[in-house]
Amino acid sequence: EPEVTQTPSHQVTQMGQEVILRCVPISNHLYFYWYRQILGQKVEFLVSFYNNEISEKSEIFDDQFSVERPDGSNFTLKIRSTKLEDSAMYFCASREEGASGYTFGSGTRLTVV
Amino acid sequence: AQSVTQLGSHVSVSEGALVLLRCNYSSSVPPYLFWYVQYPNQGLQLLLKYTTGATLVKGINGFEAEFKKSETSFHLTKPSAHMSDAAEYFCAVSYSGGYQKVTFGTGTKLQVIP
Repeated sequence: EPEVTQTPSHQVTQMGQEVILRCVPISNHLYFYWYRQILGQKVEFLVSFYNNEISEKSEIFDDQFSVERPDGSNFTLKIRSTKLEDSAMYFCASREEGASGYTFGSGTRLTVV
Repeated sequence: AQSVTQLGSHVSVSEGALVLLRCNYSSSVPPYLFWYVQYPNQGLQLLLKYTTGATLVKGINGFEAEFKKSETSFHLTKPSAHMSDAAEYFCAVSYSGGYQKVTFGTGTKLQVIP
């Protein structure tokens, strides 16, 4: 079964550093998403991306965050200057046109120290 | 606007007993409803979903859920709990059309007692 692939599975970074979380969505999917889950809390929407632009973003997704689809296969989330409170599990997801529901990746655990 | 309320952050059942995890939703448009399971240190796995049609939805691992519009509920059940069912379960709501942002509930941790 097709999968959404996220790398790395775990990343540790120092506060103030830039990080890029990488995702390879399912190849024929057109809608892409990032969600995050702070330890012990619920999964929160960050951003949706369609047709090479952000279609919706939450209040969490401030100027420190950006997304990009640099080529035909990757979808990245960049955090410019990480803060301790950015420590969370970040999930990428993708969806096919006309489909209901997404396929989630297995997540990247980001730890900011 | 859409939201999900999961009643009970922790539920304990004995092995072999009925599992009932409660979810109520709020949506201004006809909802899509989902249950996801998350095992420790793993990602989100879709258990089942309701979009349209039959209100009783069967999913993987013997789970099922019933969409009750009059009660705005989508409770998850399994007749007989297994030890392997111990995990966190998230109810979620989305909608047809558009970008289908998914809103998750706060999750229910299921403990299965031998």
